[in-house]
Amino acid sequence: DAGITQSPRHKVTETGTPVTLRCHQTENHRYMYWYRQDPGHGLRLIHYSYGVKDTDKGEVSDGYSVSRSKTEDFLLTLESATSSQTSVYFCAISGKEVSGSSYNEQFFGPGTRLTVL
Amino acid sequence: AQTVTQSQPEMSVQEAETVTLSCTYDTSESDYYLFWYKQPPSRQMILVIRQEAYKQQNATENRFSVNFQKAAKSFSLKISDSQLGDAAMYFCAYRRMYSGGGADGLTFGKGTHLIIQP
Repeated sequence: DAGITQSPRHKVTETGTPVTLRCHQTENHRYMYWYRQDPGHGLRLIHYSYGVKDTDKGEVSDGYSVSRSKTEDFLLTLESATSSQTSVYFCAISGKEVSGSSYNEQFFGPGTRLTVL
Repeated sequence: AQTVTQSQPEMSVQEAETVTLSCTYDTSESDYYLFWYKQPPSRQMILVIRQEAYKQQNATENRFSVNFQKAAKSFSLKISDSQLGDAAMYFCAYRRMYSGGGADGLTFGKGTHLIIQP
């Protein structure tokens, strides 16, 4: 367990409403990532962060924004949720040498299931 | 852009038997990492095994081993002595290598659903 939590774990919202998902880590890893998982697509990278206030876009970033004001927190915001953003969202971290694992391995949170009606 | 292909949407194996899951990838990089992740019904992503492209020796973790063929861009996962707890989705993933670490995310295949028959 790499000390990653996501909140909320489940959320149902309506089209057009703003939604913020939170990823919190207690392991002081440098890099943090947001992925979405959809049937038939595996996991796809939305945004990532390589340090406080340093973020960049991933493969499927349209409609999403992120912020990282502290090492331990990485927020994913859907400014105006759409039904196409119904998905399971995973946070991941990497960038710290831990016993038995590589600096480059990614450790995943438990996921957030988001439903946009 | 890198792509990862898992051509087997579903595989079934008898308990205690051996099964091999296929993965191919496309990249122009020479240095990279390859991973296999397991996702059981709990949805948690669990790292099974890791391979560095510069290493010729295939990685092994207990009952799990890989067949890494760099020239063919192939990275298959062999599970020996299959157990009921091995039933899950398995994802192959790629990440390029940076000196000193790096921040790129993983590129995943679409997954293979592994069924273990008792």
